[in-house]
Amino acid sequence: EVQLVESGGGLVKPGGSLRLSCAASGFSFSNAWMSWVRQAPGKGLEWVGRIKSKTDGGTTDYAVPVKGRFTISRDDPKNTLYLQMDSLKTEDTGVYYCATDRAWGQGTLVTVSS
Amino acid sequence: QPVLTQSPSASASLGASVKLTCTLSSGHSNYAIAWHQQQPEKGPRYLMKLNSDGSHNKGDGIPDRFSGSSSGAERYLTISSLQSEDEADYYCQTWGTGIKVFGGGTKLTVL
Repeated sequence: EVQLVESGGGLVKPGGSLRLSCAASGFSFSNAWMSWVRQAPGKGLEWVGRIKSKTDGGTTDYAVPVKGRFTISRDDPKNTLYLQMDSLKTEDTGVYYCATDRAWGQGTLVTVSS
Repeated sequence: QPVLTQSPSASASLGASVKLTCTLSSGHSNYAIAWHQQQPEKGPRYLMKLNSDGSHNKGDGIPDRFSGSSSGAERYLTISSLQSEDEADYYCQTWGTGIKVFGGGTKLTVL
């Protein structure tokens, strides 16, 4: 069974940093392209960014609102995906999901507030 | 990059059928999409990938009541024999150059 379990969310002040993790199991993580998707309170889904598998180059792409502030990385031996979030803004508040094309985690809540 | 347009809301009666629509922007009518369901207070769940020819590939455990079809730039999700647990937000999603794109979502109410 495919499982994606996010962790690391919490309350952080504007300008602060947070690192999210996503533990993956039940599929070949090293071959998967992985994404982060977020959802602001009461709003729809917003793609944050993606990292390709290392065999496909391991490159990353980001949505315009987070480019230059967020960094996605992966540790294939640990089957873990990361999202490093720096220079956080209040508008970054929401639930953050890791996802493959066919599976989603349960999400972790990030609140940016003074 | 593609843009996806969905009606904000839809409603249908328990036991009836409903057809939700996702429209691809001009120049992107041959794109495949995916449908995702998000029940209240839960994370999203992948339903299916839907190709421009109407063929679709459902996720594990998705009931036969869920089906997809295509016509031109329109992608449809049909849910038959509606049940109370089908009341949810439904999002379509596609792939652009280096990005994923989501529609705004349709909130389905089961009456």
